Amino acid sequence: DTAVSQTPKYLVTQMGNDKSIKCEQNLGHDTMYWYKQDSKKFLKIMFSYNNKELIINETVPNRFSPKSPDKAHLNLHINSLELGDSAVYFCASSPTRREVGLQFFGPGTRLTVL
Amino acid sequence: RKEVEQDPGPFNVPEGATVAFNCTYSNSASQSFFWYRQDCRKEPKLLMSVYSSGNEDGRFTAQLNRASQYISLLIRDSKLSDSATYLCVVYNNNDMRFGAGTRLTVKP
Repeated sequence: DTAVSQTPKYLVTQMGNDKSIKCEQNLGHDTMYWYKQDSKKFLKIMFSYNNKELIINETVPNRFSPKSPDKAHLNLHINSLELGDSAVYFCASSPTRREVGLQFFGPGTRLTVL
Repeated sequence: RKEVEQDPGPFNVPEGATVAFNCTYSNSASQSFFWYRQDCRKEPKLLMSVYSSGNEDGRFTAQLNRASQYISLLIRDSKLSDSATYLCVVYNNNDMRFGAGTRLTVKP
């Protein structure tokens, strides 16, 4: 019955590898987000999709590529992982793109790059 | 100046105390404001929206001061379960900014 789920929960990998994080929401929401929370606890938005269309694309390296096969899924693929990519990545969804305050977050994926 | 600034704390208060946090924002065109709560190693969860006229939800009161560009959160009669990090969120036209959070520890 998880509203927003992410897999995997933990990801430990070597520098230079390519990895993906998956996110699914079963709330019927139109809008989904990816956030990065670094060691200083700053939560920064990376991307937002509304009905599979990219609407927010913050300044992140182009090694990060989101993909939304349908409005219930928003996956994040990261190429050539670097040490600085180590962080917790949260997926979230909101009913519509206007109801940004009503976001439900997934449990997070803790990525460690060695 | 950071776009959204919060005192990181920690605020250590006894049970039953009243505690208040402020959050300042730099963009005067900001439209919507929220408080989220994040427990240790957990995801953020919406605590409450902040309305222009101020709003209350049980022991929690949120205020907005547009002239001085800050929002506040007041917690009355603190409970042990209120221990968490409180994140201020400011939204304007597809631009959503989170503060780094204020950590609160309520002690018995």
